[in-house]
Amino acid sequence: GAVVSQHPSWVICKSGTSVKIECRSLDFQATTMFWYRQFPKQSLMLMATSNEGSKATYEQGVEKDKFLINHASLTLSTLTVTSAHPEDSSFYICSARGPGGEQYFGPGTRLTVT
Amino acid sequence: QQQVKQSPQSLIVQKGGISIINCAYENTAFDYFPWYQQFPGKGPALLIAIRPDVSEKKEGRFTISFNKSAKQFSLHIMDSQPGDSATYFCAASRHFGNEKLTFGTGTRLTIIP
Repeated sequence: GAVVSQHPSWVICKSGTSVKIECRSLDFQATTMFWYRQFPKQSLMLMATSNEGSKATYEQGVEKDKFLINHASLTLSTLTVTSAHPEDSSFYICSARGPGGEQYFGPGTRLTVT
Repeated sequence: QQQVKQSPQSLIVQKGGISIINCAYENTAFDYFPWYQQFPGKGPALLIAIRPDVSEKKEGRFTISFNKSAKQFSLHIMDSQPGDSATYFCAASRHFGNEKLTFGTGTRLTIIP
């Protein structure tokens, strides 16, 4: 149980285009999901907290207009990187909060912007 | 006050030995302390978690020791195996995990034959 999926697992896009990443909780409902960014050999950096049916809460320094988050259902949250630039290249990971408060992570999405 | 300090940054342990990773926190409002294991190119996987009402929790070869007065907690991996080679992150949260996690900086563990 407690499986979280992400799609796509990797994506390459051109500078200036937008990319959407999906995060799904497969066997439980998640009112809260989280989006992280991770650079090589570094820890996870929380970008935003996504609550079903309400606006996401962004961490300080994260541009909400660049990283659009939508949590339209209890099993799906999406992160859209708008007007992507090479510096947005990173490993993006989502997590979903389970019924006991634990966070279960997805497998991650490797984004490369050329 | 939100930081979680993790050490060591990297650790090499012989197969069959005990791997020990330590974390320290400052915020006394933290009440949920999970450990995650991450393999290269994958998302973190929840290993084991503890709440401050107990001083130790064991699941298989993995044990968390918790010292509330010292604001420290540690992960012990008994009988370490090459398959345990990964990066380990400690984390802390308030309200029993219902708030965001604050992560440590990670420990890269390598188990050698």
